[in-house]
Amino acid sequence: AQSVTQLGSHVSVSEGALVLLRCNYSSSVPPYLFWYVQYPNQGLQLLLKYTSAATLVKGINGFEAEFKKSETSFHLTKPSAHMSDAAEYFCAVSDQVNTGFQKLVFGTGTRLLVSP
Amino acid sequence: GAVVSQHPSRVICKSGTSVKIECRSLDFQATTMFWYRQFPKKSLMLMATSNEGSKATYEQGVEKDKFLINHASLTLSTLTVTSAHPEDSSFYICSARPAGVSYNEQFFGPGTRLTVL
Repeated sequence: AQSVTQLGSHVSVSEGALVLLRCNYSSSVPPYLFWYVQYPNQGLQLLLKYTSAATLVKGINGFEAEFKKSETSFHLTKPSAHMSDAAEYFCAVSDQVNTGFQKLVFGTGTRLLVSP
Repeated sequence: GAVVSQHPSRVICKSGTSVKIECRSLDFQATTMFWYRQFPKKSLMLMATSNEGSKATYEQGVEKDKFLINHASLTLSTLTVTSAHPEDSSFYICSARPAGVSYNEQFFGPGTRLTVL
């Protein structure tokens, strides 16, 4: 079974500061990993994905994440936070077995708060 | 590209009535669609997975007779909450996976807020 752990339900940063949102995964098979962002009362928007190509993945809005197999981590970073980055962020894992019923397993989410 | 819509965005209904939520992939064909439920300040809970033309696969603990899913075409899936009760009030989100994609990228709809009085 796969699982995702997101450390910290809330992360607070100042505008312009580094953003670091942590995600650790558990998977018995090679994983696909995703980061999604959710704004209030909206669906999820894909920020970036790891699909076993480059371990450093760049996404939208200046976010990036690095897949570290030895640490089973896929932490999300952004060098300089913007007020518009305030949202809920979800890490998700899926396995690389191409079946008809692949599932995404989500972490519990991290709310990013950005102060002026 | 890869836009998923949901309708309605909000619905308020009386206890005991049924509510249908539509999920459409607007610019791609989706062989697989997923339905999630999200409680306030919580993560997404997968309710069921549906493939076009076949019966949905429900997650453990989800009542298939209460949450009816129909994946009628490659661009449309519907979720019907039958005999809704206040405890069914939640934010329901669908997602769709494009045909031919091997790494399980799902595109999410904007969600439907259901309130049962």
